[in-house]
Amino acid sequence: NAGVTQTPKFQVLKTGQSMTLQCAQDMNHEYMSWYRQDPGMGLRLIHYSVGAGITDQGEVPNGYNVSRSTTEDFPLRLLSAAPSQTSVYFCASGPSDGVGSGNTIYFGEGSWLTVV
Amino acid sequence: AQSVAQPEDQVNVAEGNPLTVKCTYSVSGNPYLFWYVQYPNRGLQFLLKYITGDNLVKGSYGFEAEFNKSQTSFHLKKPSALVSDSALYFCAVRVLSGGSYIPTFGRGTSLIVHP
Repeated sequence: NAGVTQTPKFQVLKTGQSMTLQCAQDMNHEYMSWYRQDPGMGLRLIHYSVGAGITDQGEVPNGYNVSRSTTEDFPLRLLSAAPSQTSVYFCASGPSDGVGSGNTIYFGEGSWLTVV
Repeated sequence: AQSVAQPEDQVNVAEGNPLTVKCTYSVSGNPYLFWYVQYPNRGLQFLLKYITGDNLVKGSYGFEAEFNKSQTSFHLKKPSALVSDSALYFCAVRVLSGGSYIPTFGRGTSLIVHP
């Protein structure tokens, strides 16, 4: 009963390095998303996807790329890490996001990223 | 703009007392409202949601929430707080964006239950 799995849990990067945060879900969810959580800022949406091959920007997309080649996976790429990207990152997924959807979304356990 | 607000950064309550964590929303059309809880160093866990029907919604761990359309509020409540309820609580609403209903979260309220 894996649910939403994020890796790695902890990562330290140097400024300018690139890396990918992995997210996988085994619930056949169409909706997947990435949030970052910062003190006093709550959860802010970075990118989201409503199905394989479809992605869109959220509130804070700059510095991040995503792709959705399969239903199960939704990796988040940092192309050139900056200290401002130090944060906790959460992946979330949910069932088909139809009009008027009240579907619940499910979160991974988080990835703690520090950029020095 | 469609949004959700949590006016209190922190709520303190004594164990055994009732607790309320406040949430107000601003959306066009019918709102779809959620409460999530986050324990330290963990992901968010779903507590309850309001879609339609009864204004009082019951959820996990003895929590409930009351939907009030006239006050545009969806406050989280529990009749008797436990120390183990201490956590970060998020209110969320699904808002229409580009044809999809995207969850938007409040900033979170830290609930501290004192023994």
